[in-house]
Amino acid sequence: DVKVTQSSRYLVKRTGEKVFLECVQDMDHENMFWYRQDPGLGLRLIYFSYDVKMKEKGDIPEGYSVSREKKERFSLILESASTNQTSMYLCASSRPPGTGAGYTFGSGTRLTVV
Amino acid sequence: RKEVEQDPGPFNVPEGATVAFNCTYSNSASQSFFWYRQDCRKEPKLLMSVYSSGNEDGRFTAQLNRASQYISLLIRDSKLSDSATYLCVVERDTGRRALTFGSGTRLQVQP
Repeated sequence: DVKVTQSSRYLVKRTGEKVFLECVQDMDHENMFWYRQDPGLGLRLIYFSYDVKMKEKGDIPEGYSVSREKKERFSLILESASTNQTSMYLCASSRPPGTGAGYTFGSGTRLTVV
Repeated sequence: RKEVEQDPGPFNVPEGATVAFNCTYSNSASQSFFWYRQDCRKEPKLLMSVYSSGNEDGRFTAQLNRASQYISLLIRDSKLSDSATYLCVVERDTGRRALTFGSGTRLQVQP
């Protein structure tokens, strides 16, 4: 069974801390994505990557950065966590666009910044 | 205007009912379309892709109208287990290579 694994299910961090959210996929997918999901706002794209060491900004990249050193791993970094970054963070991977393939999501990380 | 718009619901229907959800998208460059299902506090999971000719998977039928930029999902003979949020999703193959999600339509099937 194909899998996207996010390292933590729940995290509580303090304002100003540097936070790393890790995501690993075992499907040899080129594309990986980070979304956050908030009530009433749906899923919003933070960053995505379509190859190792490549990254592109999504709709809401401010306050975030990413790292993709290996094909299977895509990390989301909150440089200085703030309370408005309290959210559910979802990682996903997929084959290239146009293949008709959807995403496979990880089970999510619920981050609380206090 | 949101790129993908859905009625948030909730749709409360009895078991056995037929229910339909609609979705509109604003970007005519959108190429691929999907319906995802999301259970409470779980990740979204692909329900079905949506093809121009329409497609069916058991009790679920999806339709696409490119001229009107409109996608629909029909669920027949609703089950209690169909209770979830249904997300309409579009993908552009040019420019942004990522999926854009609607905010979802919540379905509650009642006994």
